[in-house]
Amino acid sequence: GQNIDQPTEMTATEGAIVQINCTYQTSGFNGLFWYQQHAGEAPTFLSYNVLDGLEEKGRFSSFLSRSKGYSYLLLKELQMKDSASYLCAVRDSNYQLIWGAGTKLIIKP
Amino acid sequence: ETGVTQTPRHLVMGMTNKKSLKCEQHLGHNAMYWYKQSAKKPLELMFVYSLEERVENNSVPSRFSPECPNSSHLFLHLHTLQPEDSALYLCASSQDWGQGSETQYFGPGTRLLVL
Repeated sequence: GQNIDQPTEMTATEGAIVQINCTYQTSGFNGLFWYQQHAGEAPTFLSYNVLDGLEEKGRFSSFLSRSKGYSYLLLKELQMKDSASYLCAVRDSNYQLIWGAGTKLIIKP
Repeated sequence: ETGVTQTPRHLVMGMTNKKSLKCEQHLGHNAMYWYKQSAKKPLELMFVYSLEERVENNSVPSRFSPECPNSSHLFLHLHTLQPEDSALYLCASSQDWGQGSETQYFGPGTRLLVL
């Protein structure tokens, strides 16, 4: 079966750096997405990786290793507003998005 | 106009009621989606429409019935639901369906409680 694994919850300190990991086993691969979802709000798009390597976008970066079935989202200079759930999703060979259960990130002052 | 809107935002219904969820996208997209989001579970894709035609055949109970009258509007008709159907129902849209890099844009969801 298809599976996306990410930690259920993480805690970090304001101003610090946190890395949220995502591992996947899917039938085929056509890209990996990261979304941010604040409580009670819509998921919003953060990043898309289809080739190996690091994609940087401001304070957020996303890394992909297709051979390892692994990605991470790196958040720098954490702010209180970064407290949210972070969802990892992989597009499989049928172009269907397979979603992880999300990582709830708690930022402490 | 906000990209993707959903109404109502909250809904409480009994198991014998009939209700409908509405989604509207103002992005000019050709594909629309219904997802179910339960606590601590992955998003579950329920239905996909591309150019007003249903394109995915996911196993969804018949008590959920989608309708896509045009490329901007999507409905989810609900009848004789069960308590385990209580969840956040998210609507999303994307420019097209079946493209690798296409990004889905989500509405704020309808929080449904079935009593």
